[in-house]
Amino acid sequence: GAGVSQSPSNKVTEKGKDVELRCDPISGHTALYWYRQSLGQGLEFLIYFQGNSAPDKSGLPSDRFSAERTGGSVSTLTIQRTQQEDSAVYLCASSLAVTYEQYFGPGTRLTVT
Amino acid sequence: KNEVEQSPQNLTAQEGEFITINCSYSVGISALHWLQQHPGGGIVSLFMLSSGKKKHGRLIATINIQEKHSSLHITASHPRDSAVYICAVRSWTSGSRLTFGEGTQLTVNP
Repeated sequence: GAGVSQSPSNKVTEKGKDVELRCDPISGHTALYWYRQSLGQGLEFLIYFQGNSAPDKSGLPSDRFSAERTGGSVSTLTIQRTQQEDSAVYLCASSLAVTYEQYFGPGTRLTVT
Repeated sequence: KNEVEQSPQNLTAQEGEFITINCSYSVGISALHWLQQHPGGGIVSLFMLSSGKKKHGRLIATINIQEKHSSLHITASHPRDSAVYICAVRSWTSGSRLTFGEGTQLTVNP
């Protein structure tokens, strides 16, 4: 079946612009996660959605970052007024629930110039 | 000190060798994940475990909750096993979030 998909695969933007990154989770997966992997760095948790519960936003690095999940399916991560330090690969993952293994998407490589 | 420490950071092996990657953590956990990241960047979940041992093909993962330690073993290693292996934990106090180790870069030479 279809896995987790993300779009775009690559995004180059100018400093100060807003960007939107999209994640389509596996159908039926109630849990959705966003992670970030900066060049040469480990994975970093950003935000987590579980069903209709309030999202866990504890990993968002600043108020320029926000995310939403519409209809319990597709999620969008928005970065406002991008900075060069936002350059990274942004990964989305989904799972049946928090206690199940996570399936990762291919990521969106964001470059802020 | 990071909550999740992996060793070694880099590992080079010859095809056929038995490989062990270690993960130590400092918090109480509800689950530990082993992930594989290929050179192209894609991440695959290998194991999720909270006790004991799991085996999938040539891969074996073990965890000792009392010692706060997990190991990932690869038997009969192959060049296609070359990847970054990442340990991640979900702690009792962190809710849903995973905390990741820095990863172990494995290179298996033919």
